[in-house]
Amino acid sequence: LAKTTQPISMDSYEGQEVNITCSHNNIATNDYITWYQQFPSQGPRFIIQGYKTKVTNEVASLFIPADRKSSTLSLPRVSLSDTAVYYCLVGDVGFQKLVFGTGTRLLVSP
Amino acid sequence: EADIYQTPRYLVIGTGKKITLECSQTMGHDKMYWYQQDPGMELHLIHYSYGVNSTEKGDLSSESTVSRIRTEHFPLTLESARPSHTSQYLCASSEYMVGAGANVLTFGAGSRLTVL
Repeated sequence: LAKTTQPISMDSYEGQEVNITCSHNNIATNDYITWYQQFPSQGPRFIIQGYKTKVTNEVASLFIPADRKSSTLSLPRVSLSDTAVYYCLVGDVGFQKLVFGTGTRLLVSP
Repeated sequence: EADIYQTPRYLVIGTGKKITLECSQTMGHDKMYWYQQDPGMELHLIHYSYGVNSTEKGDLSSESTVSRIRTEHFPLTLESARPSHTSQYLCASSEYMVGAGANVLTFGAGSRLTVL
């Protein structure tokens, strides 16, 4: 089970790009990296998933270096509504026990 | 629109009562999970299931029990509620997404339990 480490909190302003890095030094060959977003009093919501290099969707990009020991979630031009906790998870297709780490609390200010 | 439903959303109950938190999903997912989360704190996995008649304990020890008699239903029961059980309980299910590599979790809205 690959353990993940993220910064506890980050601050940003509206319109800026935010990059949140997750360390997973003991990631296994079959593991994928998945990021979730959680607002207060709600369940987490899937943002993006990747295995290597770069993945982009309509809300975020995920950058994974060649050694895969870390990953960076990039949120372009954040708004106040992006204030939330962001979690990265590492696991494979058959990985049944999905354990969340402490997450990164992002605060976006006007 | 939510495909995973939790009831009740809010429950205030006295010590010693038996409670069942319901979780149902309409997506046909085999894997289901229960997480416990206190306000502002991280999620802790307390139970998970591979499929019908399969249940496993998670990383956080819990006095609750679960059952999985039907694919779509994964209820959580506390036989005798105590104030220490006050928390938010989140149910989730997962699927293998075509084109993706690993299970992606879909969460319900949660059940907030307060034990007096």
